[in-house]
Amino acid sequence: DADVTQTPRNRITKTGKRIMLECSQTKGHDRMYWYRQDPGLGLRLIYYSFDVKDINKGEISDGYSVSRQAQAKFSLSLESAIPNQTALYFCATSDLRTRLNEQFFGPGTRLTVL
Amino acid sequence: KQEVTQIPAALSVPEGENLVLNCSFTDSAIYNLQWFRQDPGKGLTSLLLIQSSQREQTSGRLNASLDKSSGRSTLYIAASQPGDSATYLCAVLDGGGSQGNLIFGKGTKLSVKP
Repeated sequence: DADVTQTPRNRITKTGKRIMLECSQTKGHDRMYWYRQDPGLGLRLIYYSFDVKDINKGEISDGYSVSRQAQAKFSLSLESAIPNQTALYFCATSDLRTRLNEQFFGPGTRLTVL
Repeated sequence: KQEVTQIPAALSVPEGENLVLNCSFTDSAIYNLQWFRQDPGKGLTSLLLIQSSQREQTSGRLNASLDKSSGRSTLYIAASQPGDSATYLCAVLDGGGSQGNLIFGKGTKLSVKP
C-alpha cells in the first residue's frame, strides 16, 4: 500500500463549486504539505502543517484553505473554484525527527475547473 | 527570494550514455537539496537528498553533487536506460529547515532512446 494517498485522483468541477481534496499518510510523519503543479511554473507550496494544531500559509494560499484533522490526515479545500485553479495537486509529508526534512509525495490529484 | 533553475529543460540521449543534469540556486543559505523523478501523470519519487554539509550522495547509477558556495548541484546518471526517461526535478529547502518550504526548479525532461 502507498504511504501517502490522495483522493480523488481526478476531479472535474464547475466554477463556483466547493471542492475538497484529501490526503492520508501511514508514514507516521508529523509534517504535511500541499503543493500545486502548473506547466511551465513548477511546483509551488500552498499550505503546510507541522502538527495537528499548526497551519501555515505557503507561497500561493489565496483561494485555498486547509484542515489537519489528525496527524495522518490533511485536507485542502477550494471554497469557490475558479478555472485558474486547474492544476495537479500534490500532498507531501516529512519527519521532523530525522532532521533531514526529506519530503515524500503522494500520487497527485488532477483537478479541472470548467 | 530563492530561485532554482534547471538546465537543460529537455534532453534526449541514446541508451548507454552517461549524462549530467544541472541545477542552480540563487541563495546559498540552504538546509538541503533534493532530487526527484516524476513520470508522466504520476507523483514525485525522491531520488537523493544532500544535506548542506555534504558534497555528494550516491544511489546505484545516480550520483548527486552539491557546491553550496557556487549555488550548484549536478545529478549524474551513469549508463542511461530507456527506463530512466522521466522529468527530473531539483528542489532546495530554504534557510534553517524549520520552514519546510521546498523551492522547486521547473525540471529537466529526459528521454533515453533505445
